[in-house]
Amino acid sequence: DGGITQSPKYLFRKEGQNVTLSCEQNLNHDAMYWYRQDPGQGLRLIYYSQIVNDFQKGDIAEGYSVSREKKESFPLTVTSAQKNPTAFYLCASGTVRGTEAFFGQGTRLTVV
Amino acid sequence: AQSVAQPEDQVNVAEGNPLTVKCTYSVSGNPYLFWYVQYPNRGLQFLLKYITGDNLVKGSYGFEAEFNKSQTSFHLKKPSALVSDSALYFCAVRDGGGATNKLIFGTGTLLAVQP
Repeated sequence: DGGITQSPKYLFRKEGQNVTLSCEQNLNHDAMYWYRQDPGQGLRLIYYSQIVNDFQKGDIAEGYSVSREKKESFPLTVTSAQKNPTAFYLCASGTVRGTEAFFGQGTRLTVV
Repeated sequence: AQSVAQPEDQVNVAEGNPLTVKCTYSVSGNPYLFWYVQYPNRGLQFLLKYITGDNLVKGSYGFEAEFNKSQTSFHLKKPSALVSDSALYFCAVRDGGGATNKLIFGTGTLLAVQP
């Protein structure tokens, strides 16, 4: 099946811990994105990458880090510096010259 | 800067009636406009897009949207609502002439269709 796979679906983190969310795509897309979704605030862009080994900060990058070592993979690390990490995280991909983005099923992160 | 506004947090409609979910946008260049739908605890599903051409675009599940340049709007419509259409709907925009293809999303509108 072609698509975007996010794992895990649910993730619990203790305060002070770093956690990494996985995002893999087999659509051969160059561009990948991470969004955060909070109730009533829509989707806010955390980081995006248009090519391997390059990425840019989005609107709310503080407390997050990413890597893009492979075209298929764009993991997001939520660090202990992120003060309010509980949210629904969505990964997306698309072609650089394309239009719409395609989304994974999301990871719900809860700090306990 | 690009932005999208969805003025209604929730839209209620009876099954079988027409529905409209509103969206207005602001972008410096040519707008590329999108509608997505989200069901609970799921990712976003692409419904339709406007890039260029006819102002009325048709998409999945019987939805359509009308691009109005003078009003900077891109309202989502369906002639006859179904209970199964109940979900969260997002409008998004990107600058067609921009250097990146990142999408900017609105805050979402919850559509509730009553039987």
